[in-house]
Amino acid sequence: EVQLVESGGGLIQPGGSLRLSCAASGFTVSSNYMSWVRQAPGKGLEWVSVIYSGGSTYYADSVKGRFTISRDNSKNTLYLQMNSLRAEDTAVYYCARDMGGNWFDPWGQGTLVTVSS
Amino acid sequence: QSALTQPASVSGSPGQSITISCTGTSSDVGGYNYVSWYQQHPGKAPKLMIYDVSNRPSGVSNRFSGSKSGNTASLTISGLQAEDEADYYCSSYTSSSTPIFGGGTKLTVL
Repeated sequence: EVQLVESGGGLIQPGGSLRLSCAASGFTVSSNYMSWVRQAPGKGLEWVSVIYSGGSTYYADSVKGRFTISRDNSKNTLYLQMNSLRAEDTAVYYCARDMGGNWFDPWGQGTLVTVSS
Repeated sequence: QSALTQPASVSGSPGQSITISCTGTSSDVGGYNYVSWYQQHPGKAPKLMIYDVSNRPSGVSNRFSGSKSGNTASLTISGLQAEDEADYYCSSYTSSSTPIFGGGTKLTVL
């Protein structure tokens, strides 16, 4: 079964750092494009970042320079390192297999990040 | 880049058909046949319902269909059922080689 499981969310103070993980099963992370998508409370979906199978990475302007997407091929796991966190980064963060920016499937269950003092 | 435009809410009675629109520009919806639709129930992850404008993934009911005309894509749900009540989001590939989502539409089954 193709599945994604996120972890690493929590409560963090503004300016702090957090690393999210997304463990995949049923397919190989390194052979696919993988994205992070977030959803602020009561709001819509916002694409955050993608890592291509070849290793290239891209970011939304709202997180560029603060977030880093990466993967560990040996663990078949995707990561999102989030630094200099702001209140507006508060959201549920989902990882998803990204079919070239055309569609996302499957999605993980999401992990909540709350940035607050 | 602004989000794609969707109606905030739509409603319909069981058995009826409803359509949700998703309006963009020639740099996204109008420029590519790469529109997808997602269903999200409260507290759950989004689920892919339509990809590449009109294709249904395996396991998705044929009551769901997608189409596109110019800069506007549409999701139609026929034979509305109570379980269809959810939020729906469209997404499109863009000329920036990144995806963009719509603001979401809340579907209420009366």
